[in-house]
Formats: sequence, C-alpha cells, structure tokens
Amino acid sequence: AQSVTQPDIHITVSEGASLELRCNYSYGATPYLFWYVQSPGQGLQLLLKYFSGDTLVQGIKGFEAEFKRSQSSFNLRKPSVHWSDAAEYFCAVGANTGFQKLVFGTGTRLLVSP
Amino acid sequence: DAGVIQSPRHEVTEMGQEVTLRCKPISGHNSLFWYRQTMMRGLELLIYFNNNVPIDDSGMPEDRFSAKMPNASFSTLKIQPSEPRDSAVYFCASSLQGAPPDTQYFGPGTRLTVL
Repeated sequence: AQSVTQPDIHITVSEGASLELRCNYSYGATPYLFWYVQSPGQGLQLLLKYFSGDTLVQGIKGFEAEFKRSQSSFNLRKPSVHWSDAAEYFCAVGANTGFQKLVFGTGTRLLVSP
Repeated sequence: DAGVIQSPRHEVTEMGQEVTLRCKPISGHNSLFWYRQTMMRGLELLIYFNNNVPIDDSGMPEDRFSAKMPNASFSTLKIQPSEPRDSAVYFCASSLQGAPPDTQYFGPGTRLTVL
C-alpha cells in the first residue's frame, strides 16, 4: 500500500524568499504524485502532478516539483513566495491500478511573513 | 462547469440527530469520493464510488455512517445518529476513472458541528 510523509507541520517563509516543502512517499511500483493546496475555508485545488517523463514538473501559481526516485521524494518549490501563497499544502500518491484512490499526507501549513 | 457542489456548507445539529450531506459531482466524472478532515486525523478517505458502485468503504468509521450514489449526478453521506466526535469538515471530490489516476476535483466542503 502507498503512504506519504510530509515531515514539516508548519513552515514560515518571508515574502519574496524561496520555498521548499518536503514530501516522501512509499510505494513499490511507479508512483503517481500530486500536490494540492487548500486555502482557508476552501476545498483542495491541484497544483501539479507527476505521472512519467521529465522529473521536473511545472504547476500553477509558479510552483514546481521534482521527482527523485532514488530518494522517494517529490518536493514542492517556488522561487519567490507571495503573501497569497499562505495555505496548507498536501502531497498525495496514487497507484496505476485503474482505481482512483489517492493517499494524502498530513499536510504542511505555510505561513508567509512580511 | 460549476465544479463539485456540496450542500449544506454548514450544519449544526445536536447529538443523536440524523445528518445528511449532499454532493453533485462534475458532469461526466464517474468516480466520487467522500473525505473527512479534522485537526487530529487530517484528511481521511471515507468511501469511494466508481460508476455509482461503492468500491472501497474501508474508511467509513462505523455503522452510523452510510453513503449512497443513486445516479451519476448525486451522492449522499448520512450519519445516524450523530455524535460530537463526528464534528469535522466533509469533502466530496470527483474524477474520471482511468489509469493513471486522474485529478480529483474537490468541493468546498460541509462543516459539520455536532453539539
């Protein structure tokens, strides 16, 4: 079975600084990896996803993530954080079984300081 | 498209009462998911339907919880009787069946408070 670990519960970044959110997965076959963002009072919105091919994936809002099979990681990055990026970020993993079930991490709450 | 629609957005009820949460998935999507989100347990998958058939209900906490999908455009999650520990935000999500797994689109959630 798949599992996801997001080791950081909270992260505070200054506006304009770079950001990296960590995600480690456990799955025996090729994983399908997702990052979602949840703003306060909202549902989750897809930022980006990795299925195959180029291991550096571009998403919406200037985010990118890099799949590193050797480290079982799929870290999310942004070169310059904006105050509007303050939200909770979830990493998720899915399997190529024909079923749609995703396993989500516990989330990382991003705070942006002025 | 209006996206995934959930109702009500907020529900406050008393312990022992029946609660019904409703979801309309995105038109054309054939997979539907119910999640529960709490501070203590994070985001938990409760049940997953494919083509209106329940595929995985292993996350349903106990017999007080039941979910139905009578057609492709409507699903309900019912709690009877409700308890204070059921207080949470309940999300519905939908996607297209396929391999690899497609993006899940989430509704805005129903915030349930059981007094």
